Amino acid sequence: QKEVEQDPGPLSVPEGAIVSLNCTYSNSAFQYFMWYRQYSRKGPELLMYTYSSGNKEDGRFTAQVDKSSKYISLFIRDSQPSDSATYLCAMSGPNAGKSTFGDGTTLTVKP
Amino acid sequence: ETGVTQTPRHLVMGMTNKKSLKCEQHLGHNAMYWYKQSAKKPLELMFVYNFKEQTENNSVPSRFSPECPNSSHLFLHLHTLQPEDSALYLCASSQDLDGTGTTFGSGTRLTVV
Repeated sequence: QKEVEQDPGPLSVPEGAIVSLNCTYSNSAFQYFMWYRQYSRKGPELLMYTYSSGNKEDGRFTAQVDKSSKYISLFIRDSQPSDSATYLCAMSGPNAGKSTFGDGTTLTVKP
Repeated sequence: ETGVTQTPRHLVMGMTNKKSLKCEQHLGHNAMYWYKQSAKKPLELMFVYNFKEQTENNSVPSRFSPECPNSSHLFLHLHTLQPEDSALYLCASSQDLDGTGTTFGSGTRLTVV
């Protein structure tokens, strides 16, 4: 079983839709939870990170962590075509320097 | 130059060749990383360097040899690679090791023929 499971997608939504991207994990030692966005032919770009449980909002993006359920989500409001990319969840624990990544979900937002 | 710069962007090499990938970070970070990204697989951490010292070798075959001469530069020396080593090789850097401030380069697309 993988340590991090990410909803596989691909996901295709119309412009303006609310998008929900999700990951589950099995390692209860994870403390930092990250979301990356990766455009084609580019490296991943850190969008947001959360420490432990709770919500964090940044503009149209909201990250949620539920440590009791070992479940994290990224919500994108009012999605735009420029949000079309692959989204990667990642997690790290006390043994830092070793982030574990999900497989990624490819999102397409259609105008 | 800003961020994390990787060269070359693309590399095609034969199985008997020796080549090197180069990474430079302009962020003043202390830690640098090599990751491998293959199609339909999650990012795989290969090596971690913190203050020039290797702190992680994630069971990487010896045909991949990293070198970190200082906190700003990281190399990945390649020799006698296999076709299955074809992938996108990503360099990253961060100030701390908790993963929260990691900046990635654009990667080197490696094809082994």
